[in-house]
Amino acid sequence: ILNVEQSPQSLHVQEGDSTNFTCSFPSSNFYALHWYRWETAKSPEALFVMTLNGDEKKKGRISATLNTKEGYSYLYIKGSQPEDSATYLCASISSNTGKLIFGQGTTLQVKP
Amino acid sequence: DTEVTQTPKHLVMGMTNKKSLKCEQHMGHRAMYWYKQKAKKPPELMFVYSYEKLSINESVPSRFSPECPNSSLLNLHLHALQPEDSALYLCASSQGQGGQAFKPQHFGDGTRLSIL
Repeated sequence: ILNVEQSPQSLHVQEGDSTNFTCSFPSSNFYALHWYRWETAKSPEALFVMTLNGDEKKKGRISATLNTKEGYSYLYIKGSQPEDSATYLCASISSNTGKLIFGQGTTLQVKP
Repeated sequence: DTEVTQTPKHLVMGMTNKKSLKCEQHMGHRAMYWYKQKAKKPPELMFVYSYEKLSINESVPSRFSPECPNSSLLNLHLHALQPEDSALYLCASSQGQGGQAFKPQHFGDGTRLSIL
């Protein structure tokens, strides 16, 4: 994998559903992975910064895992609420470039 | 409220105009960034300043000229832009050079730029 890829591109769920999406990134020269939430008409908000293989981070109903050997991270949302509706961006940094490369995002729509 | 303030929020300019985008943060962050984001695309890094020095220029055309007058301010000077430069321009900041990768970036709301 040369780029950062996210799937699915968009997701529609009902309030109360749990959901998850995937971020794939180059595993060679991996340095760190960032997750951001971007609500419409607002600025991107940092959720997690993850660095170690096997890392798990949690913030309220949102959690993330990291596998640096195979180059993927999962973001989980438990019991989705309408206010979780946003685009979720992941971004990877490699040690040879030192810059964030963003995926295209997963847009989540939670219906009441 | 965002801790990174960008002005203006919207800008419409002709191809011969000169304008500037401004970004300000008072969190004591020593790394600041400009990103360009086109519709339905991810943000693309343009420039990185670290301790007020330009550390990364992603081969951005010279019609975009960044400036970091002090640790709290970041400007992007625009001149002779093309219609394809219409996009959302995001500014971000993070804690210093050594921790750039391991610290989250704090983004402004962006400037929506339209080139006529």
